[in-house]
Amino acid sequence: AQSVTQPDIHITVSEGASLELRCNYSYGATPYLFWYVQSPGQGLQLLLKYFSGDTLVQGIKGFEAEFKRSQSSFNLRKPSVHWSDAAEYFCAVGAYAAGNKLTFGGGTRVLVKP
Amino acid sequence: EPEVTQTPSHQVTQMGQEVILRCVPISNHLYFYWYRQILGQKVEFLVSFYNNEISEKSEIFDDQFSVERPDGSNFTLKIRSTKLEDSAMYFCASSDEKSSYNEQFFGPGTRLTVL
Repeated sequence: AQSVTQPDIHITVSEGASLELRCNYSYGATPYLFWYVQSPGQGLQLLLKYFSGDTLVQGIKGFEAEFKRSQSSFNLRKPSVHWSDAAEYFCAVGAYAAGNKLTFGGGTRVLVKP
Repeated sequence: EPEVTQTPSHQVTQMGQEVILRCVPISNHLYFYWYRQILGQKVEFLVSFYNNEISEKSEIFDDQFSVERPDGSNFTLKIRSTKLEDSAMYFCASSDEKSSYNEQFFGPGTRLTVL
């Protein structure tokens, strides 16, 4: 069975500081990995995705994530956080083929201090 | 840019009533999904739909739930007799088999409140 763990429920970071959100997955085959962001009262917006190739992937809003197969991790990073990055972030895993469900982690809520 | 839309944005209903949540997927997409998120919890898969059939459903998707594509554009989720525990945000998503590897595009959600 596939599963995703996001160990940090809340993270508080100062504006301008770097941010790293952890994601560990369990998946029986080659995983297809995603990070979504959810602003308060909003839907899910895709930040970035990884299936194969370069293990460091770039996404929107200045985010990047690194896939480490040996650690079953797909951590999200941003070098310098902006106040507008305050949101909830979800890591998800799924199969390559279209039509397959995504399994989400519990989410990490990011608070940004001025 | 094409997007998934959902109506209504918020639905309040009495326990035991039927509700229908509506979604308009991206027009050339072939796969459709419903997920839900109970307040403060993770997003959970409910059901996937392709070629007018359910492809996969979770254990949450019991006989009280049904999905339908009544015409060429809408995709609906019906809950026949709502329970208090059905209160959640329901997200519709769609994907195209020809596009980026099962990338699912999510709508803004319908918040369902069961009283």
